[in-house]
Amino acid sequence: AQKVTQAQTEISVVEKEDVTLDCVYETRDTTYYLFWYKQPPSGELVFLIRRNSFDEQNEISGRYSWNFQKSTSSFNFTITASQVVDSAVYFCALSEAGGTSYGKLTFGQGTILTVHP
Amino acid sequence: DAGVTQSPTHLIKTRGQQVTLRCSPKSGHDTVSWYQQALGQGPQFIFQYYEEEERQRGNFPDRFSGHQFPNYSSELNVNALLLGDSALYLCASTRSLGTGVHSPLHFGNGTRLTVT
Repeated sequence: AQKVTQAQTEISVVEKEDVTLDCVYETRDTTYYLFWYKQPPSGELVFLIRRNSFDEQNEISGRYSWNFQKSTSSFNFTITASQVVDSAVYFCALSEAGGTSYGKLTFGQGTILTVHP
Repeated sequence: DAGVTQSPTHLIKTRGQQVTLRCSPKSGHDTVSWYQQALGQGPQFIFQYYEEEERQRGNFPDRFSGHQFPNYSSELNVNALLLGDSALYLCASTRSLGTGVHSPLHFGNGTRLTVT
């Protein structure tokens, strides 16, 4: 069975601070996808990144960066110089990579990030 | 380019009633998944539709059923509503790119269902 753990329930930072959201996953699959989604108060889940289990390269997109470490089954997300607009619930998720299994995501419980001005 | 659209946005039903939620996938997407998100929780997978057939199902009772139409839009039906069915119902779509590869999963704004 797949499992995603986001140990941080809530994080509160002041604007311009860097913040890292932790994600640890469990799976028996050899190939899988990892995701991060942002959920603002409007409710929509906004896609941030998808990473294939074969690709352990870290990725940077603007103020966002992701650190994938297969050895520790972690896929952590860092926001540099946080802004008030970053306040949201962030979800880490896992999916098998097989054709019929894609789309069945296992989500973590989410981390509520509050950025204060 | 329209994203995933869901209707209605809010719905209030009485215990025991039946409800139908609707989803139009993102343009070019052919696969639709439904999720239930209880307050303060992560979304839980209900089922997925591809080529008008249910392809995968999560741990939900038969009261939850669905349908996909030839234009790839989808409906989620819930019968004999329980108070515990109150949640945000999210629809997600993706595009099959062949040989088991898919585009990233995109979600709609959801339908907030309240059962009283």
